[in-house]
Formats: sequence, structure tokens, C-alpha cells
Amino acid sequence: DTEVTQTPKHLVMGMTNKKSLKCEQHMGHRAMYWYKQKAKKPPELMFVYSYEKLSINESVPSRFSPECPNSSLLNLHLHALQPEDSALYLCASSQGRDPYAQYFGPGTRLTVL
Amino acid sequence: AQSVAQPEDQVNVAEGNPLTVKCTYSVSGNPYLFWYVQYPNRGLQFLLKYITGDNLVKGSYGFEAEFNKSQTSFHLKKPSALVSDSALYFCAVRDGFMNYGGSQGNLIFGKGTKLSVKP
Repeated sequence: DTEVTQTPKHLVMGMTNKKSLKCEQHMGHRAMYWYKQKAKKPPELMFVYSYEKLSINESVPSRFSPECPNSSLLNLHLHALQPEDSALYLCASSQGRDPYAQYFGPGTRLTVL
Repeated sequence: AQSVAQPEDQVNVAEGNPLTVKCTYSVSGNPYLFWYVQYPNRGLQFLLKYITGDNLVKGSYGFEAEFNKSQTSFHLKKPSALVSDSALYFCAVRDGFMNYGGSQGNLIFGKGTKLSVKP
């Protein structure tokens, strides 16, 4: 099963709301990622978790807060977002050992009003 | 620093004709190269990867890619295009290595090439 699932598929939120994006994989992968993708652009890396520890934070604003409760789950907590944060948020996982490919979820389409 | 370039914003092909989507790379050390496809409003799907070995790599949905070290290229190919192949294609290179105590090798993506296959 090479599947990464993400919920919700779509999310609309106001700038004062708090919401969370969820990602789950059951492939035994030990590295998980959050990417942000604007329309017709390549994904931009936000965070990397390796063995449930945050290993990379690509200078992401603090209004985005990642969490890795266990090796299968990855959350992205959102608070006080701006309209320019509207994008497709993609989760991915990999076996955590170079050079394996990353497997992506279908994404959450986020709109910030 | 590692990077990939996709020189074409869009490639147009007639159904049944061969297709090529171009990618060139710049890396220090051994290149680990990948192709992904993205259909509208969907996540990225892994197509194939080159790590080592044969220069011709076969992947999903009949796609293949040719690794050319002298030309630093990794072009995606398919002998006979289908209308359903129409999508956005990303070439990517792996940046860095897995370090159990620290950083994780990440993907660096090209800007993407839109493939349009007409009936």
C-alpha cells in the first residue's frame, strides 16, 4: 500500500481561525514532509520530520505549526493565516534513507479569506 | 547547490506520437533524480527514479527516462502518448543525505512542464 492520505480535501478559513491539516501513512516510512504549492508552481518544502523529530524547518512563519504525534501521523496546525497562505498543502513520506522517492498525498486545498 | 531545470513551460504532442519532456540537472556528487506527474487538483505521483545502474529507467504508465551523465540530462520519454497523459510534470533531484542525527535529503523540483496531448 503506497498511499498517503490527507484530510480535509478542502478547507476555507478566516484569518482569525485555528484549524489543522492531517496526514497519515501506513507504509512504515520514517520521514514525513509538508510542502506548500501555489498554482502551476513546484512544491516548496516547509517542514521535515525524521523519526518523529523535526529535522528541517524552512524558515516557515510561526503561524504554521507542525506536529508528529507518531510515526504514521503528521499534523499542520494553522493559526492567524493570511490570504497569501492560500495554496495546496501536500504531505509526503519516504523511507527516510537516501535515495528513496517521496510519496505524496492528494493535498489539502486551503483558502484563507 | 543541487538544481534541476526544465527548459519548456509546455510541450504539445499528438496522441500516438512519442513524447519527450526535458530536464537537466546540476549536482555535486552522484545525482539522484526523479520524475513526478501531477494531474489537476491532485497530489504528485511518483513516476520513476534514477539512482545508479542502467541509464534507461522504466517507470509507471509506460514512461521511461534516460540518464545522460555527459549532458547532465534526465529526459522523460514515452513511445506513444495518450490524451490521459496530459498533466504537469516535475523533474526533481535529491538534495543531501539522510543523517540519522540531523538533516534529511529533500527534493528540489524543477518549475514543471505542462504536457498537452491532443487527439
